[in-house]
Amino acid sequence: AQKVTQAQTEISVVEKEDVTLDCVYETRDTTYYLFWYKQPPSGELVFLIRRNSFDEQNEISGRYSWNFQKSTSSFNFTITASQVVDSAVYFCASANQAGTALIFGKGTTLSVSS
Amino acid sequence: SAVISQKPSRDICQRGTSLTIQCQVDSQVTMMFWYRQQPGQSLTLIATANQGSEATYESGFVIDKFPISRPNLTFSTLTVSNMSPEDSSIYLCSVNGQGRWHTEAFFGQGTRLTVV
Repeated sequence: AQKVTQAQTEISVVEKEDVTLDCVYETRDTTYYLFWYKQPPSGELVFLIRRNSFDEQNEISGRYSWNFQKSTSSFNFTITASQVVDSAVYFCASANQAGTALIFGKGTTLSVSS
Repeated sequence: SAVISQKPSRDICQRGTSLTIQCQVDSQVTMMFWYRQQPGQSLTLIATANQGSEATYESGFVIDKFPISRPNLTFSTLTVSNMSPEDSSIYLCSVNGQGRWHTEAFFGQGTRLTVV
Protein backbone atom coordinates (compact mmCIF):
# COMPACT_ATOMS: atom_id res chain seq x y z
CA ALA A 1 0.00 0.00 0.00
CA GLN A 2 1.09 3.52 -0.60
CA LYS A 3 2.01 5.87 2.18
CA VAL A 4 3.14 9.47 2.32
CA THR A 5 4.93 10.89 5.35
CA GLN A 6 5.36 14.56 6.09
CA ALA A 7 7.30 14.54 9.32
CA GLN A 8 7.18 18.30 9.81
CA THR A 9 3.87 19.28 11.35
CA GLU A 10 4.52 23.01 11.60
CA ILE A 11 7.28 25.30 10.39
CA SER A 12 7.68 28.97 11.22
CA VAL A 13 10.03 31.23 9.32
CA VAL A 14 10.61 34.91 8.84
CA GLU A 15 10.07 36.52 5.48
CA LYS A 16 12.91 36.05 2.97
CA GLU A 17 14.13 32.89 4.63
CA ASP A 18 14.35 29.73 2.56
CA VAL A 19 12.32 26.79 3.77
CA THR A 20 12.22 23.13 2.76
CA LEU A 21 9.20 20.91 3.30
CA ASP A 22 10.00 17.22 3.47
CA CYS A 23 8.02 14.40 1.90
CA VAL A 24 8.85 10.70 2.05
CA TYR A 25 6.76 8.20 0.15
CA GLU A 26 6.37 4.45 0.21
CA THR A 27 5.19 2.35 -2.70
CA ARG A 28 5.76 -1.04 -4.28
CA ASP A 29 4.79 0.19 -7.71
CA THR A 30 7.36 0.99 -10.34
CA THR A 31 5.11 3.63 -11.85
CA TYR A 32 3.64 6.24 -9.56
CA TYR A 33 2.91 9.93 -9.37
CA LEU A 34 3.77 12.47 -6.71
CA PHE A 35 2.03 15.76 -6.07
CA TRP A 36 2.28 18.87 -3.96
CA TYR A 37 -0.75 20.97 -3.08
CA LYS A 38 -1.13 24.22 -1.18
CA GLN A 39 -4.16 24.85 0.99
CA PRO A 40 -4.45 28.48 2.08
CA PRO A 41 -6.77 29.48 4.94
CA SER A 42 -9.65 29.81 2.48
CA GLY A 43 -9.62 26.02 2.17
CA GLU A 44 -9.29 25.32 -1.53
CA LEU A 45 -6.55 23.02 -2.76
CA VAL A 46 -4.10 24.65 -5.12
CA PHE A 47 -2.15 22.32 -7.37
CA LEU A 48 1.60 23.02 -7.38
CA ILE A 49 3.31 20.16 -9.15
CA ARG A 50 3.06 16.57 -10.36
CA ARG A 51 6.06 14.34 -10.91
CA ASN A 52 6.16 10.92 -12.60
CA SER A 53 8.30 8.16 -11.12
CA PHE A 54 10.31 7.85 -14.31
CA ASP A 55 11.26 11.51 -14.36
CA GLU A 56 13.76 12.37 -11.65
CA GLN A 57 14.58 15.79 -12.99
CA ASN A 58 14.32 18.47 -10.40
CA GLU A 59 12.06 21.37 -11.22
CA ILE A 60 12.12 25.05 -10.50
CA SER A 61 9.18 27.39 -10.86
CA GLY A 62 9.93 30.90 -9.69
CA ARG A 63 10.62 30.74 -5.96
CA TYR A 64 9.52 27.10 -5.80
CA SER A 65 11.72 24.11 -6.43
CA TRP A 66 11.30 20.40 -6.01
CA ASN A 67 13.92 17.73 -5.38
CA PHE A 68 12.83 14.22 -6.35
CA GLN A 69 15.19 11.44 -5.24
CA LYS A 70 14.10 7.86 -5.80
CA SER A 71 17.13 6.57 -3.87
CA THR A 72 15.72 8.05 -0.68
CA SER A 73 12.03 7.97 -1.69
CA SER A 74 11.79 11.67 -1.13
CA PHE A 75 10.10 14.51 -2.94
CA ASN A 76 11.04 17.66 -1.06
CA PHE A 77 9.72 21.14 -1.74
CA THR A 78 11.75 24.30 -1.22
CA ILE A 79 10.46 27.86 -1.13
CA THR A 80 13.16 30.43 -1.66
CA ALA A 81 12.85 33.89 -0.13
CA SER A 82 9.57 33.04 1.57
CA GLN A 83 6.74 35.56 1.70
CA VAL A 84 3.79 36.01 4.03
CA VAL A 85 1.48 34.85 1.23
CA ASP A 86 3.21 31.47 1.35
CA SER A 87 1.59 30.82 4.71
CA ALA A 88 -0.60 27.77 4.20
CA VAL A 89 -0.84 24.05 4.74
CA TYR A 90 1.16 22.10 2.18
CA PHE A 91 0.26 18.54 1.29
CA CYS A 92 2.35 15.96 -0.44
CA ALA A 93 0.39 13.17 -2.14
CA SER A 94 0.90 10.10 -4.29
CA ALA A 95 -1.05 7.95 -6.72
CA ASN A 96 -0.06 4.51 -7.93
CA GLN A 97 -1.37 5.05 -11.41
CA ALA A 98 -3.03 7.65 -13.53
CA GLY A 99 -6.71 8.13 -12.82
CA THR A 100 -6.75 6.83 -9.27
CA ALA A 101 -7.37 8.57 -6.00
CA LEU A 102 -4.55 10.30 -4.17
CA ILE A 103 -3.01 9.30 -0.88
CA PHE A 104 -2.20 12.40 1.13
CA GLY A 105 0.39 13.06 3.77
CA LYS A 106 -0.72 14.76 6.98
CA GLY A 107 0.40 18.14 5.74
CA THR A 108 2.88 20.74 6.93
CA THR A 109 1.62 24.07 8.19
CA LEU A 110 3.94 26.85 7.11
CA SER A 111 3.77 30.21 8.84
CA VAL A 112 5.75 33.06 7.38
CA SER A 113 5.95 36.20 9.49
CA SER A 114 6.97 39.66 8.37
CA SER B 1 -7.83 20.51 -17.50
CA ALA B 2 -11.07 20.18 -15.55
CA VAL B 3 -13.13 22.80 -13.77
CA ILE B 4 -15.18 21.57 -10.84
CA SER B 5 -18.09 23.43 -9.31
CA GLN B 6 -19.07 22.29 -5.86
CA LYS B 7 -22.18 23.43 -4.00
CA PRO B 8 -22.80 24.55 -1.36
CA SER B 9 -19.49 26.14 -0.43
CA ARG B 10 -20.44 26.05 3.22
CA ASP B 11 -23.36 25.21 5.44
CA ILE B 12 -24.32 25.03 9.07
CA CYS B 13 -26.68 22.16 9.80
CA GLN B 14 -28.56 20.80 12.75
CA ARG B 15 -27.62 17.39 14.07
CA GLY B 16 -29.82 14.60 12.82
CA THR B 17 -30.41 16.23 9.44
CA SER B 18 -28.85 15.41 6.07
CA LEU B 19 -26.98 17.53 3.56
CA THR B 20 -26.44 16.78 -0.11
CA ILE B 21 -23.33 18.19 -1.76
CA GLN B 22 -23.24 18.59 -5.51
CA CYS B 23 -20.23 18.31 -7.77
CA GLN B 24 -20.39 19.41 -11.41
CA VAL B 25 -17.48 18.93 -13.81
CA ASP B 26 -17.08 20.79 -17.09
CA SER B 27 -16.06 17.63 -18.97
CA GLN B 28 -16.95 13.96 -18.96
CA VAL B 29 -14.90 11.90 -16.54
CA THR B 30 -14.93 8.23 -15.68
CA MET B 31 -14.27 8.41 -11.98
CA MET B 32 -15.08 11.01 -9.39
CA PHE B 33 -13.66 10.96 -5.90
CA TRP B 34 -15.04 12.27 -2.63
CA TYR B 35 -12.70 13.23 0.21
CA ARG B 36 -13.23 14.37 3.77
CA GLN B 37 -10.92 16.72 5.61
CA GLN B 38 -11.63 16.91 9.31
CA PRO B 39 -10.48 20.06 11.15
CA GLY B 40 -6.71 20.28 11.20
CA GLN B 41 -6.35 16.95 9.44
CA SER B 42 -5.35 15.67 6.05
CA LEU B 43 -7.63 14.51 3.27
CA THR B 44 -9.13 11.06 3.50
CA LEU B 45 -10.81 9.32 0.60
CA ILE B 46 -14.46 8.50 1.30
CA ALA B 47 -15.40 6.77 -1.93
CA THR B 48 -14.90 6.49 -5.66
CA ALA B 49 -17.95 7.07 -7.85
CA ASN B 50 -18.20 5.51 -11.30
CA GLN B 51 -21.05 6.32 -13.58
CA GLY B 52 -23.55 3.49 -13.86
CA SER B 53 -22.37 1.51 -10.87
CA GLU B 54 -22.41 1.72 -7.12
CA ALA B 55 -19.73 3.76 -5.46
CA THR B 56 -16.77 2.00 -3.88
CA TYR B 57 -16.30 3.00 -0.25
CA GLU B 58 -13.08 3.08 1.71
CA SER B 59 -12.69 1.40 5.05
CA GLY B 60 -14.55 3.30 7.71
CA PHE B 61 -17.14 4.79 5.38
CA VAL B 62 -20.50 3.21 4.61
CA ILE B 63 -23.18 3.83 2.06
CA ASP B 64 -25.91 4.39 4.62
CA LYS B 65 -24.01 7.31 6.09
CA PHE B 66 -22.57 8.72 2.85
CA PRO B 67 -24.82 7.77 -0.06
CA ILE B 68 -23.43 8.83 -3.42
CA SER B 69 -25.15 9.29 -6.74
CA ARG B 70 -23.49 9.40 -10.14
CA PRO B 71 -26.23 9.86 -12.70
CA ASN B 72 -23.96 10.87 -15.59
CA LEU B 73 -20.33 11.50 -16.52
CA THR B 74 -20.27 15.11 -15.36
CA PHE B 75 -22.17 15.10 -12.08
CA SER B 76 -22.15 13.47 -8.65
CA THR B 77 -23.68 14.07 -5.25
CA LEU B 78 -22.56 13.09 -1.78
CA THR B 79 -25.08 13.06 1.05
CA VAL B 80 -23.99 13.27 4.66
CA SER B 81 -26.83 11.56 6.52
CA ASN B 82 -28.05 11.84 10.09
CA MET B 83 -25.32 14.34 10.87
CA SER B 84 -23.53 14.72 14.16
CA PRO B 85 -20.92 17.30 15.21
CA GLU B 86 -18.22 14.75 14.31
CA ASP B 87 -19.23 15.17 10.66
CA SER B 88 -18.06 18.78 10.71
CA SER B 89 -15.43 18.78 7.98
CA ILE B 90 -14.53 20.04 4.56
CA TYR B 91 -15.82 17.71 1.86
CA LEU B 92 -14.06 17.82 -1.49
CA CYS B 93 -14.90 16.43 -4.87
CA SER B 94 -12.05 15.47 -7.20
CA VAL B 95 -11.55 14.18 -10.70
CA ASN B 96 -8.61 13.20 -12.81
CA GLY B 97 -8.00 15.05 -16.02
CA GLN B 98 -8.52 13.62 -19.47
CA GLY B 99 -6.18 13.33 -22.41
CA ARG B 100 -2.88 15.02 -21.73
CA TRP B 101 -4.14 15.90 -18.25
CA HIS B 102 -4.88 12.29 -17.34
CA THR B 103 -2.36 12.23 -14.51
CA GLU B 104 -3.57 15.47 -12.97
CA ALA B 105 -5.95 15.53 -10.03
CA PHE B 106 -8.38 18.45 -9.90
CA PHE B 107 -10.37 19.48 -6.85
CA GLY B 108 -13.51 21.44 -6.24
CA GLN B 109 -13.36 24.36 -3.86
CA GLY B 110 -14.80 22.22 -1.09
CA THR B 111 -17.88 22.31 1.12
CA ARG B 112 -17.22 23.48 4.64
CA LEU B 113 -19.81 21.76 6.83
CA THR B 114 -20.48 22.65 10.44
CA VAL B 115 -22.92 20.52 12.41
CA VAL B 116 -24.40 22.07 15.54
